[in-house]
Amino acid sequence: EVQLVASGGTLVQPGGSLRVSCAASGFTFSSHEMSWVRQAPGKGLEWLSYISSTGNTIYYADSVKGRFTISRDNARNSLYLQMNSLRAEDTAVYSCARFPIDYWGLGTLVTVSS
Amino acid sequence: QPVLTQPTSLSASPGASARFTCTLRSGINVGTYRIYWYQQKTGSLPRYLLRYKSDSDNQQGSGVPSRFSGSKDASANAGLLLISGLQSEDEADYYCAVWYSNTVVFGGGTRLTVL
Repeated sequence: EVQLVASGGTLVQPGGSLRVSCAASGFTFSSHEMSWVRQAPGKGLEWLSYISSTGNTIYYADSVKGRFTISRDNARNSLYLQMNSLRAEDTAVYSCARFPIDYWGLGTLVTVSS
Repeated sequence: QPVLTQPTSLSASPGASARFTCTLRSGINVGTYRIYWYQQKTGSLPRYLLRYKSDSDNQQGSGVPSRFSGSKDASANAGLLLISGLQSEDEADYYCAVWYSNTVVFGGGTRLTVL
């Protein structure tokens, strides 16, 4: 059974940084492309970033380009999202997903507020 | 104009059919893209339902009943999600998505009310 579980979400001040992680199991992580997505409270789905299976190809949404960095550790079956220069509008539940998106992981809440 | 446009809401009766539209922006040809559909019930994670590009290029999500199906309306430049035999448990938000210009674009979602 495919399982994706994000962690690391917390309350952070505007302008601050945070790294969230996603632990993957139940499939061959190293063979799959992955993505990060988020959902602000009461809002729709927003895709953030894509990373190829090897990590060699990466794409970002315009809303986070230059502030967020996606990475992966295939040896640890883990996906990461480093978030810098956080803004109030980044407040959301952050989830990882297998790409093309067919499994959605349990998310972690990031709250950006002073 | 957004890449994908979905109606905000849709209502239908139990046992009836529901037709969701996902309209691509003018200049983006629906025939070129795989349209992905997701269901999100209140308080739950989104669930992958299916993807559809053509009758020969489509995929049903794992465990998704056959009463959920995909199609396209080329004249409207739209992807379609069809649900037959509506059940109360189908009440949820439905999102479409495409891989466009090296990004995943989601539609704004359609809330289905089964009444």
